[in-house]
Amino acid sequence: DTGVSQDPRHKITKRGQNVTFRCDPISEHNRLYWYRQTLGQGPEFLTYFQNEAQLEKSRLLSDRFSAERPKGSFSTLEIQRTEQGDSAMYLCASSSPGEQFFGPGTRLTVL
Amino acid sequence: QKEVEQDPGPLSVPEGAIVSLNCTYSNSAFQYFMWYRQYSRKGPELLMYTYSSGNKEDGRFTAQVDKSSKYISLFIRDSQPSDSATYLCALLEIQLISNFGNEKLTFGTGTRLTIIP
Repeated sequence: DTGVSQDPRHKITKRGQNVTFRCDPISEHNRLYWYRQTLGQGPEFLTYFQNEAQLEKSRLLSDRFSAERPKGSFSTLEIQRTEQGDSAMYLCASSSPGEQFFGPGTRLTVL
Repeated sequence: QKEVEQDPGPLSVPEGAIVSLNCTYSNSAFQYFMWYRQYSRKGPELLMYTYSSGNKEDGRFTAQVDKSSKYISLFIRDSQPSDSATYLCALLEIQLISNFGNEKLTFGTGTRLTIIP
C-alpha cells in the first residue's frame, strides 16, 4: 500500500503522560500536514511542513505540542503532559502539492 | 462565527433518493471548494473540487458553488447504501509562506449521511 500511513492507530494514555505519533507520507510528497478531528467536528489544521521546514503552526498547537520532520520524509507529533481535552483523532496528510491525501489517523484517548 | 458552517445532520434517506448537502462560508479568500467523504474510522478522501462558481458533475455527484452568496452544495443522485458516510466540505486558501504555498484546508463540521436500503 503506497498511501499515507500512521502509527499507532489507537493510543490510550493517562493524563500527564507524553505520547508520540508517527506519519509516513506518500514517498514523493514534499508537503505534510497535521490535523486534529474531535467527535462530530471536521478536521482542524495544526501544522504544515514543506520538506523538513515547519512553515506554519496553528494557535491550536500549544507549547505542549511539537512536530518534526527531520529528513523531509516521515513526521512525528509529540504531545507532552497530555490532558483530557487532547482526546481526538490526529490526522496526517501529504501532497506534492495539490490534492492532500489523508492517512487513517491515530485515535488518542486520554483517561 | 465559524469560517465554514455545515449542517451536521444526521441525514437519512431511502436508496435512490437525491441528497443535497450544503455549506456556507464567510472568508472571500477561499479559492478552491472541495467535498471529502469520510467513512467510519478512516481518513477523509477527496470526492470533488472546483474553483469557480457554477456546477461540476462527476458521475452521480454534482458540486455547485455560488461565490456571490458564499454557498456550496453537493448533490448525490440515485443514492446507494455505499454512499453512507460523513461528507465534509472543505475550503482551501493558498497562503504564501517563505515562497512556498501553504494549501490550508478549512473544513465544515461534516454531515453524517445514511442511505437506507
